[in-house]
Amino acid sequence: ELKVEQNPLFLSMQEGKNYTIYCNYSTTSDRLYWYRQDPGKSLESLFVLLSNGAVKQEGRLMASLDTKARLSTLHITAAVHDLSATYFCAVDRKGGSEKLVFGKGTKLTVNP
Amino acid sequence: GAVVSQHPSRVICKSGTSVKIECRSLDFQATTMFWYRQFPKQSLMLMATSNEGSKATYEQGVEKDKFLINHASLTLSTLTVTSAHPEDSSFYICSARPGGAIYEQYFGPGTRLTVT
Repeated sequence: ELKVEQNPLFLSMQEGKNYTIYCNYSTTSDRLYWYRQDPGKSLESLFVLLSNGAVKQEGRLMASLDTKARLSTLHITAAVHDLSATYFCAVDRKGGSEKLVFGKGTKLTVNP
Repeated sequence: GAVVSQHPSRVICKSGTSVKIECRSLDFQATTMFWYRQFPKQSLMLMATSNEGSKATYEQGVEKDKFLINHASLTLSTLTVTSAHPEDSSFYICSARPGGAIYEQYFGPGTRLTVT
């Protein structure tokens, strides 16, 4: 059974600081996704990582994937208040079924 | 492009009644749609996978007679919560995968169901 673990689950940080959210998964997978969710809203797609060593960046967010370690990271650089949200990683079950298994989410609060 | 809508966005119903939630892909044809449930402050849990023209595949622990899914066309899937109970109150989110897509999956805005 595929399990996805995120840590930390809660993250409070000051504006301007850097931090990393970790996503571990238990079995081989084809794809890893990062999403953002604002309160009361649905998911916004941030990144899709398709291969070992993949790195993608958008603004202050950078995601990477190490399939051998079954680990993805979401790095936040010089955080700003607008990044406050809950971030989920999700892993595609092996075989490309597109049945995603989500981590529990990391609630990020960026304080002025 | 790649917009998925859900209707209604919020619904309140009484215990014992049924409620239907629609999920539409507005600018693409979706061969597969997924239904998720999210309880407050929790993650998303896949309930079922819906393929156009065939029966939905339910995840373990999801009652198929309670959560009826119909994927009648390439742009519409519906989830009907039958004989709703307060414990069915949740945020229901659908997603849709375009035909021929390898990994894209687009999420709808969600439906907040409250059963009183």
